[in-house]
Amino acid sequence: GENVEQHPSTLSVQEGDSAVIKCTYSDSASNYFPWYKQELGKRPQLIIDIRSNVGEKKDQRIAVTLNKTAKHFSLHITETQPEDSAVYFCAEYGNKLVFGAGTILRVKS
Amino acid sequence: GAGVSQSPSNKVTEKGKDVELRCDPISGHTALYWYRQSLGQGLEFLIYFQGNSAPDKSGLPSDRFSAERTGGSVSTLTIQRTQQEDSAVYLCASSLDRWSYEQYFGPGTRLTVT
Repeated sequence: GENVEQHPSTLSVQEGDSAVIKCTYSDSASNYFPWYKQELGKRPQLIIDIRSNVGEKKDQRIAVTLNKTAKHFSLHITETQPEDSAVYFCAEYGNKLVFGAGTILRVKS
Repeated sequence: GAGVSQSPSNKVTEKGKDVELRCDPISGHTALYWYRQSLGQGLEFLIYFQGNSAPDKSGLPSDRFSAERTGGSVSTLTIQRTQQEDSAVYLCASSLDRWSYEQYFGPGTRLTVT
């Protein structure tokens, strides 16, 4: 069945450094890969997504890369700021959204 | 409304009681999803509606869980004979239609079963 593995489970970085979160998936039919940011006590918010016909997408300090052959995709945050601290979830969409377990990102100032 | 709304925001109930959770999707969105988020855990898919029909109920954890959607808008998730393991945040999301990937989440209902 569908499965998404997300690593690391926690990540601490110094303000200004980069953060990278990686996900692997098993469903070769998956064609949409969103990333959600969930701040404490808040709902998940879509921050960036990528479709299977694209290898990389960038939006300001956030970028996502996709390797369909290897079935993995990554979130890259550059110049991290304290407000980037949150839980980040990757997901893949074959016939429904399946989420990774989440990564707690802490940005230390 | 501007976004997905859910009610109540918090619900405390005694084990064995039934609860109803409500979701109002974004106006015009025909696809609606229910998820469950247990403490410190990821998001678990429960059920998907396209219009009033539910083509995918595969995530409902037991027959105590049911959901309906009427008029292609508001949805209710009902949990009968609640158990302590049902305690979680129940999130609803909507998307424009069955071909739209982007899902927008509501604020969730925190359910505590004592």
